[in-house]
Amino acid sequence: EPEVTQTPSHQVTQMGQEVILRCVPISNHLYFYWYRQILGQKVEFLVSFYNNEISEKSEIFDDQFSVERPDGSNFTLKIRSTKLEDSAMYFCASSEEGQRDEQYFGPGTRLTVT
Amino acid sequence: AQKITQTQPGMFVQEKEAVTLDCTYDTSDQSYGLFWYKQPSSGEMIFLIYQGSYDEQNATEGRYSLNFQKARKSANLVISASQLGDSAMYFCAMREGYRNAGNMLTFGGGTRLMVKP
Repeated sequence: EPEVTQTPSHQVTQMGQEVILRCVPISNHLYFYWYRQILGQKVEFLVSFYNNEISEKSEIFDDQFSVERPDGSNFTLKIRSTKLEDSAMYFCASSEEGQRDEQYFGPGTRLTVT
Repeated sequence: AQKITQTQPGMFVQEKEAVTLDCTYDTSDQSYGLFWYKQPSSGEMIFLIYQGSYDEQNATEGRYSLNFQKARKSANLVISASQLGDSAMYFCAMREGYRNAGNMLTFGGGTRLMVKP
């Protein structure tokens, strides 16, 4: 069964450093998303991406965040200058256009900023 | 106001019994979708079931069913014949707007379900 994959599973970085989180969405899906979940809290939407551009973003997704689809398979989230409060689980998700629009989530990347 | 409210932070259920996890939502859109996800202790988010606002019948997926009461704006998840592996966090989520698969999901705070042997 096709699935969303994410790398790395765990990333530790120092405050102020740049990190890139990687995702490979399900191959026939056209919509891609990033969500985050701070430990013990609800899942929060960051950004959605379609047709090589951002279609929607939350107020969390400020100038330090960016997304890119560098090739036909990868979807990345870059955090330019990490802060302690960026520590969270980051989930990538994808969905296909059509009858069913459920979003399938990857296993997540746990980001720890020290 | 919260868009998705899950009032049960934690619940216990005896193995093999049924359990209902509550979810109420708030939207002024006529078209929306409601989702339930399971998050085991390993952390991944597993899609369980989907209900569209125009779907006339309650959604079912194996042991999962969704008790959709549109007038009350509730979308409760029913798990029949609970298994030990059902112990996890369960999140209700909503997509507002036209069904075009490009809309963000708004999540509730979750319910932790614990199945007792």
